Amino acid sequence: AQSVTQLGSHVSVSEGALVLLRCNYSSSVPPYLFWYVQYPNQGLQLLLKYTTGATLVKGINGFEAEFKKSETSFHLTKPSAHMSDAAEYFCAVGTGGFKTIFGAGTRLFVKA
Amino acid sequence: DVKVTQSSRYLVKRTGEKVFLECVQDMDHENMFWYRQDPGLGLRLIYFSYDVKMKEKGDIPEGYSVSREKKERFSLILESASTNQTSMYLCASRTRQGTMETQYFGPGTRLLVL
Repeated sequence: AQSVTQLGSHVSVSEGALVLLRCNYSSSVPPYLFWYVQYPNQGLQLLLKYTTGATLVKGINGFEAEFKKSETSFHLTKPSAHMSDAAEYFCAVGTGGFKTIFGAGTRLFVKA
Repeated sequence: DVKVTQSSRYLVKRTGEKVFLECVQDMDHENMFWYRQDPGLGLRLIYFSYDVKMKEKGDIPEGYSVSREKKERFSLILESASTNQTSMYLCASRTRQGTMETQYFGPGTRLLVL
């Protein structure tokens, strides 16, 4: 069975600091991996995704993530946090069939 | 610009009421989903529809039903609302190509059952 674990339900960083949100997955087949972001009182929107090919994926708003098969990880990073990055972030895995499995989410706080 | 709309942003209902949540997408997507979102639990799939009049149960279908009479519209029905159905409900749509494809989400309906 597929599953997604996001390490840390809350992460707090200072403005300008590195953002690192951790995601580990389990899958018996090659996974499709996603990061979605949810701003307050809004639905989720896609930040980036990995399907095949290059393992370093660049997304919107300066975020990127690296697929590491050996570590079963897909961590999300951004070199310099902005106040506008404060949101909840969801890692997700799709492996065929119709279901996409979502992690529990990590809420990012950005301090001025 | 892709668009998924949900009929209400906020709803307050009484225990035992029948509740209808409507979702409409304008992208001609075949697949549509209903999730509920609860703190610490992420998104859990309630029902999925892969085409008109077709549906599949998700992980937590108990107490819910769905209807998809037209391609663009997917309705979630709470037959007899209960307090444990107080939650945020998110609708999403996706092309038929499968789980490699992006899901597009509506803004959500926050339901309070008293």
